Amino acid sequence: DTGVSQDPRHKITKRGQNVTFRCDPISEHNRLYWYRQTLGQGPEFLTYFQNEAQLEKSRLLSDRFSAERPKGSFSTLEIQRTEQGDSAMYLCASSPGGGPSSREQYFGPGTRLTVT
Amino acid sequence: AQKITQTQPGMFVQEKEAVTLDCTYDTSDQSYGLFWYKQPSSGEMIFLIYQGSYDEQNATEGRYSLNFQKARKSANLVISASQLGDSAMYFCAMREGSFYNQGGKLIFGQGTELSVKP
Repeated sequence: DTGVSQDPRHKITKRGQNVTFRCDPISEHNRLYWYRQTLGQGPEFLTYFQNEAQLEKSRLLSDRFSAERPKGSFSTLEIQRTEQGDSAMYLCASSPGGGPSSREQYFGPGTRLTVT
Repeated sequence: AQKITQTQPGMFVQEKEAVTLDCTYDTSDQSYGLFWYKQPSSGEMIFLIYQGSYDEQNATEGRYSLNFQKARKSANLVISASQLGDSAMYFCAMREGSFYNQGGKLIFGQGTELSVKP
C-alpha cells in the first residue's frame, strides 16, 4: 500500500531562487491538498484540487506561489523568488472523492524548505 | 470565523496512565467534522480519530476516544494506557461544512506536545 509521497524531503535554497516541490497522492484519490507548517504551529491550508481543477486557494498563497495538477494525479507547488519567510514544512495530503471513507486526509512526509 | 484552540502547549503523562488533550472550536456551521492527528518528530501527520457534528456517540479508535461536547464546542482527545511511542505533537482540526460542498480543507489548532514518561 503506497501512501502519499513528496519530493524532495529537504530543500535549501538562496533567497530569490525558484523552487518546485512534487506530491504523489494515493492512487485514485481525486482530492489533493497543500498545507504549510511553520515551526511551532499547526498546518495552514494553501490550496486544493479536485482531479485537475484547482478549486480553492488561500490568501496565504501569494502571486509567487503556483500549484498545478495537470493530469489529476501528481501535483507540483512552485515558489518563485523565494523569501526567508517561505521557510517552512510544505505538506501534501490526499483523500478519496466521496463516501464515508473519505472523511480523513492522508498526509505525506512533507518537504522542509529552508531559505538562506 | 472558524477557529481551533488548543490551550495546552505541552503535557506530561506517566506511561500506562490516561491523558486528556483539550480542544475547543468555533464555527457557525451546523455540519462540520472534527479530527485529531498525531505528528511524531519525523514530521508526518497521522490520522487518529474523527467525530462528525451529527454523530450522537463519542468516537473511539482503539486507545483513542474523543470526548465530544457539542454545546460547549469542545472535542477533547483521551488517550488511555499511554505508551512511550505516544510522545509526539497532537493537533486538533476541523473541517467546516459538508465535505462534498466545501472541499474538505482542514483548519488546525496550534498543537499540544505530549511527553510520556517511563
